[in-house]
Amino acid sequence: AQTVTQSQPEMSVQEAETVTLSCTYDTSESDYYLFWYKQPPSRQMILVIRQEAYKQQNATENRFSVNFQKAAKSFSLKISDSQLGDAAMYFCAYRSLPYNQGGKLIFGQGTELSVKP
Amino acid sequence: KAGVTQTPRYLIKTRGQQVTLSCSPISGHRSVSWYQQTPGQGLQFLFEYFSETQRNKGNFPGRFSGRQFSNSRSEMNVSTLELGDSALYLCASRAGYEQYFGPGTRLTVT
Repeated sequence: AQTVTQSQPEMSVQEAETVTLSCTYDTSESDYYLFWYKQPPSRQMILVIRQEAYKQQNATENRFSVNFQKAAKSFSLKISDSQLGDAAMYFCAYRSLPYNQGGKLIFGQGTELSVKP
Repeated sequence: KAGVTQTPRYLIKTRGQQVTLSCSPISGHRSVSWYQQTPGQGLQFLFEYFSETQRNKGNFPGRFSGRQFSNSRSEMNVSTLELGDSALYLCASRAGYEQYFGPGTRLTVT
C-alpha cells in the first residue's frame, strides 16, 4: 500500500520570502502522479501543482515549483515570493497511474503554512 | 462551468441516526470520489463512483455507502451514526488526472 508523509505540521514564512514544504512517499509502483493541494480556511481544496513520475523535469506553476526526487521518493514544494494569500494547509497527494485508480488520492497529514507580513 | 456542489453544507445529527449527503459533479465529469477529513485521521478516501458503478473503496465500515445516478450526481449515506463520524466530507469530480473538489459538508454527530 502507498503512504504519504509530511513531516512538518507547521511552517512559517515572511511575506516575499521563499519556503519549501517537504513530502516523502512510499510505493512499489513505477508510474504514478503526485500533487500538492492547498486548503485555505474556506476548506475548498485547490490543486496547486502536479507531477507525473515518468517526467524527469520538475513541474512549475508560476511561483510554485517542485523538487521531485524519484529514487529518494521525495516531492517537495517551493513557494517563491510568498504572499499573504498563500497561507493555508498544504497537502501532498499520491495517485496511481491506471485510469481506474484515478479517483483515489492518498494524502499526507498536511502542513499548515502561515505567512507573516 | 459550475464547480462541484455539495449539499447540505452543514448538518447536525444524533448518534444512531442516518444521514445522506449529496454531491453534484462538474458537468461532463463521470467520476465522483468521496473523502472524509478529520483532525485525527486526516483526509481518507471513502469510495469512487464512475458511470453509476463503485470502482474503488477505502477502508471504511459497511455503514458508509454510496451511489451514483445516471446524471453523475452522487450520494453517500452513513447509517447508525457514531460520534467519530463527525467530519468534513469532501467530494471531488474528475476529468483526466485532476480532481476538482467541492466545498464539503460539515457533519456533526452529537
